[in-house]
Amino acid sequence: DIQMTQSPSTLSASVGDRVTITCRASQSISSRLAWFQQKPGKAPKLLIYKASSLESGVPSRFSGSGSGTEFTLTISSLQPDDFASYYCQQYNRYPRSFGQGTKVEIK
Amino acid sequence: QVQLVESGGGVVQPGRSLRLSCAASGFTFSRYGMHWVRQAPGKGLEWVAVIWYDGSNQYYTDSVKGRFTISRENSKNTLYLQMNSLRAEDTAVYYCARVSLAEPTEDVWGKGTTVTVSS
Repeated sequence: DIQMTQSPSTLSASVGDRVTITCRASQSISSRLAWFQQKPGKAPKLLIYKASSLESGVPSRFSGSGSGTEFTLTISSLQPDDFASYYCQQYNRYPRSFGQGTKVEIK
Repeated sequence: QVQLVESGGGVVQPGRSLRLSCAASGFTFSRYGMHWVRQAPGKGLEWVAVIWYDGSNQYYTDSVKGRFTISRENSKNTLYLQMNSLRAEDTAVYYCARVSLAEPTEDVWGKGTTVTVSS
C-alpha cells in the first residue's frame, strides 16, 4: 500500500501569509494526487486534482505542484475562509490513501 | 443540483450490524464509481471502499475486508455499505463520495452519517 506523509501537522499563520504544505508518497504516484480542504463538522472539498489542476470554483490563490513522490499545496495569500484542515490523497491505485492532514490555524 | 445524502447511522453494540445508504440526485448515478470514506472522531480521513459504476468491481481497505460490503442499486440511485461484526474502531463519520469522470478522485461528497459502536 502507498503511504502518504504530510508536513507540517499544524501550521500557524496570519491573513495574507503565503502558506506551503508538503506531501510525500512512499512510492511514485506520477501526478495522481489530490488536495482536499475540510472545515470542522463539514465534508471534505476537492481543491486540486492531478497534482496541479484547480477544481472548478476554487480560488486561484490555491495552487499545487509536484510529481512522482513530492508534492506541495500553496496558498498565495491566506484568507479568513482558508483556516481549515488540508489533506492530500493519492489516487494512483487502490487502496486510496490520505495524508494525516495539516491544520492551518490563526496565528 | 448534484447531491449525495447518507443515512442509516446510529449507535450499535460491538459485533452487531448496520447498513448505510447514500441517495444520489442531480447526476446520472449509473455512470459513476462511488467511494465510502470515514473519519474517526478527531482523526483524519480514511478511505474505506469503492464500487465500479456498474457494480462489477469492489475494493476495500484491509481493516474492513470480510466485514463490510459495498453495493449499489442503479435503478434507485442508491449506494450502500453493509457493515457486519462492528468494532469500536469503526466508530466514525461515514461519507459517500462520487468518483470524478475526469480523474478518479472524489469530486462530490455527502454530509456524512455518524456510526458509534459502543456497548
